[in-house]
Amino acid sequence: GQNIDQPTEMTATEGAIVQINCTYQTSGFNGLFWYQQHAGEAPTFLSYNVLDGLEEKGRFSSFLSRSKGYSYLLLKELQMKDSASYLCAVRDKGNAGNMLTFGGGTRLMVKP
Amino acid sequence: EPEVTQTPSHQVTQMGQEVILRCVPISNHLYFYWYRQILGQKVEFLVSFYNNEISEKSEIFDDQFSVERPDGSNFTLKIRSTKLEDSAMYFCASREDSSTSYEQYFGPGTRLTVT
Repeated sequence: GQNIDQPTEMTATEGAIVQINCTYQTSGFNGLFWYQQHAGEAPTFLSYNVLDGLEEKGRFSSFLSRSKGYSYLLLKELQMKDSASYLCAVRDKGNAGNMLTFGGGTRLMVKP
Repeated sequence: EPEVTQTPSHQVTQMGQEVILRCVPISNHLYFYWYRQILGQKVEFLVSFYNNEISEKSEIFDDQFSVERPDGSNFTLKIRSTKLEDSAMYFCASREDSSTSYEQYFGPGTRLTVT
């Protein structure tokens, strides 16, 4: 089975940097995704890590350590529009359909 | 930019009724998925579909649920006899058949309310 943990809520200030952590315990592992979800909307893809290390994409970066079962999403130069839920999701190894198992999401509130 | 579309955006039905939720995946994608999200809870996998058959399904996807790709563009989720606890947002997703890209593109969702 899969167990994915991330903080429920975080608050940060506009212009600052915030790090959202995710830990997972899984029977297999074949990649970790971060999605952004605004209230009432669909999740949108942010990043995908399958190897250890940091992936940078503009203001967003994602890090993975497979040995520690740990990932984080780093958001720089926060903007008000970054207020959303951030979902960590794991792709299980070997499953043919590549289903994603999601954590509960971290609701980020960006304040002026 | 191509996108996944879903209809209707909101469906209200009475308990025990059948509902069909419709999705049009991105045209060159070959993997299709249904997820659901009960209000305030996490996104949960229901089923994945590839090569005209179910490739995986979760415990939630019991005999009340079925999926179909009736033509070259639509992908549907049918709930035969709806229950109150089926009230949720249902998301369709698709991805291309690639060994380098595993990104799943989500549709805007259908909010199902069972009364």
